[in-house]
Parts: sequence; C-alpha cells; structure tokens
Amino acid sequence: EPEVTQTPSHQVTQMGQEVILRCVPISNHLYFYWYRQILGQKVEFLVSFYNNEISEKSEIFDDQFSVERPDGSNFTLKIRSTKLEDSAMYFCASSEDTGANVLTFGAGSRLTVL
Amino acid sequence: AQKITQTQPGMFVQEKEAVTLDCTYDTSDPSYGLFWYKQPSSGEMIFLIYQGSYDQQNATEGRYSLNFQKARKSANLVISASQLGDSAMYFCAMREWGRDDKIIFGKGTRLHILP
Repeated sequence: EPEVTQTPSHQVTQMGQEVILRCVPISNHLYFYWYRQILGQKVEFLVSFYNNEISEKSEIFDDQFSVERPDGSNFTLKIRSTKLEDSAMYFCASSEDTGANVLTFGAGSRLTVL
Repeated sequence: AQKITQTQPGMFVQEKEAVTLDCTYDTSDPSYGLFWYKQPSSGEMIFLIYQGSYDQQNATEGRYSLNFQKARKSANLVISASQLGDSAMYFCAMREWGRDDKIIFGKGTRLHILP
C-alpha cells in the first residue's frame, strides 16, 4: 500500500539552529500538508501546498517556517532558527484531491530543541 | 471558536464491549467531510473512517461505524467488539469543502481497553 515517508524520524537540535524535515508524499497525490503535535496535545495545521505554492497557512506558520517541493517528489519543511517551543512531532500528509479524499499521514518526525 | 469538540479526554472500556467516542462539530458550510484517525502509542496517524455531509447512510468500515446525526452536528465513532489493540488516541477531524483543503482536528480521546 502506498505510504508517505518522513525523515528523520527523530532529530535533536540546539536552539537557533536550522532544521529541515523531509517528506516523500504518495506519488499521484497533488495536495501536501504539514501538521505538528506538541507532546500530548492536539494535531495542529501548519500549511497546505498545491501546485507548487502555499494554498493556506496557519498563524503558527510564521516567517521562521518555509516549505518547498524542490524536485517533484520531496516536500520539505524548514525551520530557520529553532526555538524551544518548536519541539513537537511534525507530520507530513498528502491527498489525491480535496473534498472527500483522505489525508494519508507519514509516521512523523520528532523534533527536540535543546 | 472550537470547530471540533471531543468531550471525553479519556475512556476505559472492557475488552469485547462496544465503545462510542463522541464528536461534535461546528460549521456553516453545507458541504463538509468528517474523518476519524487513530494514533497508537507509536505515534503514527491512521485513517479509520470518513463521512460526507451529503451521505445518506452512516459510514461503516469493519468494526468501525460512524453515527452521523447531521441536525445535531455530531459524528460519533462506534467501535464494536473492542480489542486490546484498539487502545490509542482517537481524533475526530473535519474538512469544509467550500473554504479550503485542510482538515482540522479535535483534541482527541484516549481510549484504554482493559483485559
């Protein structure tokens, strides 16, 4: 069964460092998403991406965050200068279409900022 | 305003019993979809079941069914014959078709199945 793959599974970084989280969505999917989940809390929307541009972003997704799809397969989330409060599980998801189409999630990348 | 409300932060259920996880939602969009995801302790998000706002019948997927009451804006997940492996966090989520393409999640219900 096709799946969304995320790397790394766990990253530990120092505050102020840049982090790039990588995702390979399902190949025929057109809509891509990043969500985050702070430990024990709800899953929060960060950004959606379609047709090589951001279609929507939340207030969490400030200037420290960026996304890109550099080569038609990878979908990356960059955090420019990490803060302690960026420590969370980051989920990538993809969807073939909107509406009734299901978001398929990756296994997540756990980011720990020290 | 809270779009998805899950009022049960935690539940304990005896194995083999049926369990209902509550979810209410708030939208003015006539076209929307409701999803349930399971998050086991390993952390991944597993899709369980989907219900569209125009679907005439309640969705079912194996032991999972969705009790959709549109007028009450509720979309409760029913798990029949619960198993130990059902112990997990369960999230209700909604996508409003007329607004955007993202789904938004409730706070979740942690389900514990007791042997």
